Amino acid sequence: AQSVTQLDSQVPVFEEAPVELRCNYSSSVSVYLFWYVQYPNQGLQLLLKYLSGSTLVKGINGFEAEFNKSQTSFHLRKPSVHISDTAEYFCAVSGLMDSSYKLIFGSGTRLLVRP
Amino acid sequence: NAGVMQNPRHLVRRRGQEARLRCSPMKGHSHVYWYRQLPEEGLKFMVYLQKENIIDESGMPKERFSAEFPKEGPSILRIQQVVRGDSAAYFCASSRASRSSTDTQYFGPGTRLTVL
Repeated sequence: AQSVTQLDSQVPVFEEAPVELRCNYSSSVSVYLFWYVQYPNQGLQLLLKYLSGSTLVKGINGFEAEFNKSQTSFHLRKPSVHISDTAEYFCAVSGLMDSSYKLIFGSGTRLLVRP
Repeated sequence: NAGVMQNPRHLVRRRGQEARLRCSPMKGHSHVYWYRQLPEEGLKFMVYLQKENIIDESGMPKERFSAEFPKEGPSILRIQQVVRGDSAAYFCASSRASRSSTDTQYFGPGTRLTVL
C-alpha cells in the first residue's frame, strides 16, 4: 500500500520569493508521482508528473519537482512565486502494477503568496 | 473544449435524504473516476467506471453508495439516506482510454455536499 505525507498544511511566502512544498511517500513498490494544483472553486489541474527517466521534472507555470528515491520525496519548487500561484497543492502517487489508475493523495498544502 | 463538468456544485441535504451527483467527462474520454475529500484530508479514491461497467469500486462504502456510467448521459454517484459523515467534497475525474496512470486524469470542480 502507498501513502503520501504533506507535512505543511499552509505555506505563506512573499511575492517573488522561492518556495518549496514538501511531499514524502511510502511504498513497497515503485511508484508514479504527481503534483496537482487547485485554484479556488476549480478542479484539480495537473502541474507535473514523474513516470521514469530524469529525476528532475519540469511542469507548467514554472514549477519543477525532483524525485529522490532514497529519501522517498518529491518536493515541488518554484524559484519566484506570483500572487496568482496562491492555491492548494496536492501531491499524489500511484503504483505501477494493477490499479495504477488509483491516485493516492496527500492532504494538501495551501500556498499563500503575499504582496 | 469543455473540461470535466460536475453538477450541482453545492448540494444541501437533510439526514435520510438522497444525494445525486453528476459528472460529464471531457469529450473523447470514456473512463471516469470518483474521489471523496473529507475536511482536512486528501482526496480518496472511490470508484472507477467505464461506459456501462464498474471496473473497481474498492473505495466505495459498502452500503448506501452506488455509481453508474450509462451508455448515454453523465456518470452518477448516488448516496442514499445520507448521514452527517457524508458531508464532503466529491470530485470526478476522466481519462481518455487507458487504465494506466500514465494517462492523465482531468478533474472537475467538485460537488460540495453538506448534510444537515
